[in-house]
Amino acid sequence: GESVGLHLPTLSVQEGDNSIINCAYSNSASDYFIWYKQESGKGPQFIIDIRSNMDKRQGQRVTVLLNKTVKHLSLQIAATQPGDSAVYFCAEKTGGSYIPTFGRGTSLIVHP
Amino acid sequence: NAGVMQNPRHLVRRRGQEARLRCSPMKGHSHVYWYRQLPEEGLKFMVYLQKENIIDESGMPKERFSAEFPKEGPSILRIQQVVRGDSAAYFCASSLRQGVNTEAFFGQGTRLTVV
Repeated sequence: GESVGLHLPTLSVQEGDNSIINCAYSNSASDYFIWYKQESGKGPQFIIDIRSNMDKRQGQRVTVLLNKTVKHLSLQIAATQPGDSAVYFCAEKTGGSYIPTFGRGTSLIVHP
Repeated sequence: NAGVMQNPRHLVRRRGQEARLRCSPMKGHSHVYWYRQLPEEGLKFMVYLQKENIIDESGMPKERFSAEFPKEGPSILRIQQVVRGDSAAYFCASSLRQGVNTEAFFGQGTRLTVV
């Protein structure tokens, strides 16, 4: 399943499928990006980050892709599990600013 | 190693009362950030503090809101004369140092309800 960020804030997938969550950022000067996972009633939890001099970074079951040309960031989750159900936020930082700016978020719902 | 601790988890205040939200950063962390989250929305930056200093308060409302991070003790976000529009989840994050690539760790948040 695939989301288009602000225009599709909810993504529903079946357990075992791969999920793709998209994020469009607006500041071309942003040089560091982070994906956070927020479960209901909890604070955001760091998932993975990427610097602007990279276009791909892999973690455990997650991959972040960065396309600076179109200012687009995506989070790919392999073999999605029910425990992945949460709201996912992308955040960006700009050189000289230490404060991450959050996007609106996408709700991922994983059906068993 | 305990994470970022926020208290209370839930706070109910009547209009016109004061709300005090506390945040104890992770051990060894001296940088604290406060965010506000409205339902179905992302986190909005409010203020960034280091010990005894406010570094960036560009996201703080001009009136009724204040924050401090004393030399000893937790960081405090104070909201005076609360109104219904202040109802939100308030999150605190801390980091070991400042820097673009520095990870910030979030607490569980304080959910403020103004009745």
